[in-house]
Amino acid sequence: EVQLVESGGGLVQPGRSLRLSCAASGFTFDDYAMHWVRQAPGKGLEWVSSITWNSVGIAYADSVKGRFTISRDNAKNSLYLQMNSLRTQDTALYYCAKGLYGDLRLFDYWGQGTVVTVSS
Amino acid sequence: EIVLTQSPGTLSLSPGERATLSCRASQSVYSSYVAWYQQKPGQAPRLLIYHASIRATDIPDRFSGSGSGTDFTLTISRLEPEDFAVYYCHHYGSSFFGQGTKLEIK
Repeated sequence: EVQLVESGGGLVQPGRSLRLSCAASGFTFDDYAMHWVRQAPGKGLEWVSSITWNSVGIAYADSVKGRFTISRDNAKNSLYLQMNSLRTQDTALYYCAKGLYGDLRLFDYWGQGTVVTVSS
Repeated sequence: EIVLTQSPGTLSLSPGERATLSCRASQSVYSSYVAWYQQKPGQAPRLLIYHASIRATDIPDRFSGSGSGTDFTLTISRLEPEDFAVYYCHHYGSSFFGQGTKLEIK
């Protein structure tokens, strides 16, 4: 059974940093691209970032480019999102998602999310 | 930037009825790269349809997708009580999502 468990969320002041983690199990982690998708309170879904299986291909939404860094550790079956210079607009539930296949930003399994609140 | 506009915003139907949800793109998109997700309150989204018309693993055949160019449709042939949720379309070529359609019980 595929499981994705996010952690690392919390309350942080604007301008500060936070690092999210996603622990994956139930599939061969290093065979798949991985992604972060967020959902602001009461709002829709927004793709944040993606990383290919070998970390060669990395992409970010314009809204986070230059502030967020995605990475993965295939030996630990883990995905990360380093979030710097956080803004109030970054407040959201952050989901880790597994890619269905290839480098497509198509998400077949999602974690339950970790909440990030940016507020002074 | 591709804008995906879903309609209606809210759809009120009864169990057993047919639901038709629309997703319109602001420009023609490669139809193979359209997906639909279902999200229930307090839950993560669930992939229903990808490549515009292919059902994801374990998705019942009452869910079907169609469309091309700028207009895409998710159809639920006979609504079950568990189908009432929010549905999002997604163009995974550009990574943009629609704003969602809430399917509620009438």
